[in-house]
Amino acid sequence: GENVEQHPSTLSVQEGDSAVIKCTYSDSASNYFPWYKQELGKRPQLIIDIRSNVGEKKDQRIAVTLNKTAKHFSLHITETQPEDSAVYFCAASIKGVTGGGNKLTFGTGTQLKVEL
Amino acid sequence: DTEVTQTPKHLVMGMTNKKSLKCEQHMGHRAMYWYKQKAKKPPELMFVYSYEKLSINESVPSRFSPECPNSSLLNLHLHALQPEDSALYLCASSHSQGNEKLFFGSGTQLSVL
Repeated sequence: GENVEQHPSTLSVQEGDSAVIKCTYSDSASNYFPWYKQELGKRPQLIIDIRSNVGEKKDQRIAVTLNKTAKHFSLHITETQPEDSAVYFCAASIKGVTGGGNKLTFGTGTQLKVEL
Repeated sequence: DTEVTQTPKHLVMGMTNKKSLKCEQHMGHRAMYWYKQKAKKPPELMFVYSYEKLSINESVPSRFSPECPNSSLLNLHLHALQPEDSALYLCASSHSQGNEKLFFGSGTQLSVL
């Protein structure tokens, strides 16, 4: 099955700096890569996703890059703000799950702390 | 309506109790999911329903029993749980086309005494 590794496990940055979180996946058939943000005690929220036919996607201060050859993808947050502090999870899935639905494999998470 | 609604938000139960978690969505999604999340860990998939039929069971113990009465509702029936089953239980939904965005509910924080 798919295995997703995520680094670093914790990341502390100063407000205004950039933050980068990296993930690698094992199954070359994976073709959908979402990122979720989870604040303490709250639901995981989808913040950006990318499909395997795209190398980069940007949404305001957030961008994701995908390198299919190396099987890794990264989340980039620019001009970080205190409200960006949360746990971030990457995930990967393979199209065509038997019976339908979307079987995501999550990374282990990164605790991002943005300090004033 | 772009939300997945879960009830109750918190639940405390004894090991001999029977309880149910409920999930509802009105986004027209035809795939619904149950995830279990322990503190500081990623969500772990338990069950997937697609078009009201169970499509994935990740070898979950039978003390957890899912039910999908219709395309908008998903239940998780709990019976004879163990203290190690204490966790945040998250419901999610998506279009049932594969590789579609998952939307999570706020979860039920379950404590088993």
